[in-house]
Amino acid sequence: KQEVTQIPAALSVPEGENLVLNCSFTDSAIYNLQWFRQDPGKGLTSLLLIQSSQREQTSGRLNASLDKSSGRSTLYIAASQPGDSATYLCAVSRASGGSYIPTFGRGTSLIVHP
Amino acid sequence: DTAVSQTPKYLVTQMGNDKSIKCEQNLGHDTMYWYKQDSKKFLKIMFSYNNKELIINETVPNRFSPKSPDKAHLNLHINSLELGDSAVYFCASSPGWGTAIMNTEAFFGQGTRLTVV
Repeated sequence: KQEVTQIPAALSVPEGENLVLNCSFTDSAIYNLQWFRQDPGKGLTSLLLIQSSQREQTSGRLNASLDKSSGRSTLYIAASQPGDSATYLCAVSRASGGSYIPTFGRGTSLIVHP
Repeated sequence: DTAVSQTPKYLVTQMGNDKSIKCEQNLGHDTMYWYKQDSKKFLKIMFSYNNKELIINETVPNRFSPKSPDKAHLNLHINSLELGDSAVYFCASSPGWGTAIMNTEAFFGQGTRLTVV
């Protein structure tokens, strides 16, 4: 059974710092890995999707890497801003019955203070 | 246009009642899901449907019954609501297996906060 772990569980940093959020998974037979952001009381916003054949994806100040063989992904946030404060969720998808089933980690709660 | 929309956004009801949450996606995806987010914010898969057929049922009580009238809709009906059912329920969709769509990104709705009193 796939288990997804995110470290750290919480992070509080001053504005401007470069951040690294970690995600590890136990079963490397994944189809893709997706990073989401969730603001308090809100839904999930997709940040980056990495297919299993890819090594990394970039969007603006965000960069996500994937090492499938070691079961790890890293989300790098450059020059953090207070607006980045949210919970960041990692989800890995397995193939099942014609679908891709995302399994989530418990998230990293990030606070960026001015 | 909202890609995945669910209604209602908030639902407060008494124990023992029956309620439904509706979900619709306009992305042309084959697969839809229901997730439950507990008080500790952990998201757990409940059901997955592919082309209106049930694929995944993750040991969810029989009181929960998903209904997929067509590929774009996956509704969740809950019978005899219990206090422990209080949570945020998220609907999501993604392209299915073998699709011509190369991007297999999953999209989530805004959630339905269910409170059972």
